[in-house]
Amino acid sequence: QKEVEQNSGPLSVPEGAIASLNCTYSDRGSQSFFWYRQYSGKSPELIMSIYSNGDKEDGRFTAQLNKASQYVSLLIRDSQPSDSATYLCAVNFYNQGGKLIFGQGTELSVKP
Amino acid sequence: GAGVSQSPSNKVTEKGKDVELRCDPISGHTALYWYRQSLGQGLEFLIYFQGNSAPDKSGLPSDRFSAERTGGSVSTLTIQRTQQEDSAVYLCASSLEPGGTEAFFGQGTRLTVV
Repeated sequence: QKEVEQNSGPLSVPEGAIASLNCTYSDRGSQSFFWYRQYSGKSPELIMSIYSNGDKEDGRFTAQLNKASQYVSLLIRDSQPSDSATYLCAVNFYNQGGKLIFGQGTELSVKP
Repeated sequence: GAGVSQSPSNKVTEKGKDVELRCDPISGHTALYWYRQSLGQGLEFLIYFQGNSAPDKSGLPSDRFSAERTGGSVSTLTIQRTQQEDSAVYLCASSLEPGGTEAFFGQGTRLTVV
């Protein structure tokens, strides 16, 4: 099992739709979870962090965390073509000294 | 500084040469991470520092790779006897503390070994 797993995509959604991105992780002791956005040729940019079970909303973005299921997701409402990018899930591996591990990323394409 | 700074932005080197990549983290950030990203791939963890010590070096691909951090600030990633498969973007990130605070990335160093 990979430490952090994401569907590689590409995920294609029409403009205005909800995009749903998913991530699972292997370290049951992990406490901190992050979503990054990476445009082609650029470095990753932090968009959300979540530490507690449940939902966390920030504008059009909602992060959801379920520690019992070792699952974290990101919802993007009213998707825009400018949201087209690769979305990276990152998990802080508490039981491995706190290193920050990334999934392979999900490529999102929002079609006008 | 205002953000994480990496230098150089681009480096072209001949196979077999040594290279040094530099990362200057956000002021006050105690945790520093190095990753490698090959074209079209995800972020491969290399090493991370808590202050000047590296609790986890498990991601370094071979003994040609080494890293150090001095004064709890600047870090240098050194690749000896570069090979073509070392060609990638090397990314550095820093966070206020290890163990789960938000990490911010520099712009990366694109290394090309010819």
